[in-house]
Amino acid sequence: DQQVKQNSPSLSVQEGRISILNCDYTNSMFDYFLWYKKYPAEGPTFLISISSIKDKNEDGRFTVFLNKSAKHLSLHIVPSQPGDSAVYFCAASDSGSGGYQKVTFGTGTKLQVIP
Amino acid sequence: ETGVTQSPTHLIKTRGQQVTLRCSSQSGHNTVSWYQQALGQGPQFIFQYYREEENGRGNFPPRFSGLQFPNYSSELNVNALELDDSALYLCASSPTGGRAGETQYFGPGTRLLVL
Repeated sequence: DQQVKQNSPSLSVQEGRISILNCDYTNSMFDYFLWYKKYPAEGPTFLISISSIKDKNEDGRFTVFLNKSAKHLSLHIVPSQPGDSAVYFCAASDSGSGGYQKVTFGTGTKLQVIP
Repeated sequence: ETGVTQSPTHLIKTRGQQVTLRCSSQSGHNTVSWYQQALGQGPQFIFQYYREEENGRGNFPPRFSGLQFPNYSSELNVNALELDDSALYLCASSPTGGRAGETQYFGPGTRLLVL
């Protein structure tokens, strides 16, 4: 049962253009959503998050949009840079999960930014 | 501030054996979570420890067990290894009780191969 889905395994974007990574979820109890970036041979690194009471959160070149009615979120990177090339994981957690942080990850989207 | 470290980086075991993986959290982080990442998949939550007690568990059998020590180190033990246990094992620490949405800091992982 894949509760967090990233349907695009890969994405290629030209440097300077916008990268849009999409994520869908099925569990309506999720109330925090996070994006992590992962380079080869490294652990995932936190990028940006959004709580379910918001529909947008922005941090520099990175913006996350949340559409609760559609159970969909997206990560926008503008402008894309070659150093952004990595695997991006969408993740979600439920604050009512019994006092602990059970984070559910998607399968990841590999972003390649072409110089 | 040192990051999260894991040892060993790679490990080969045979089916039926037992394995212990180690993690050193960031100083001051009371919560550690362990994840299994199979090839082509996102990390899957195994369990979480808070102040040396397991306070949350994912869909993993009891042969997956853990320990957390007062010096911010922790262990993941897997008994009776199966071929499907071959994966990258990630630990992640967070500063407080693992609230939903709290940033987790991941180690680089231990790649386990079961033959």
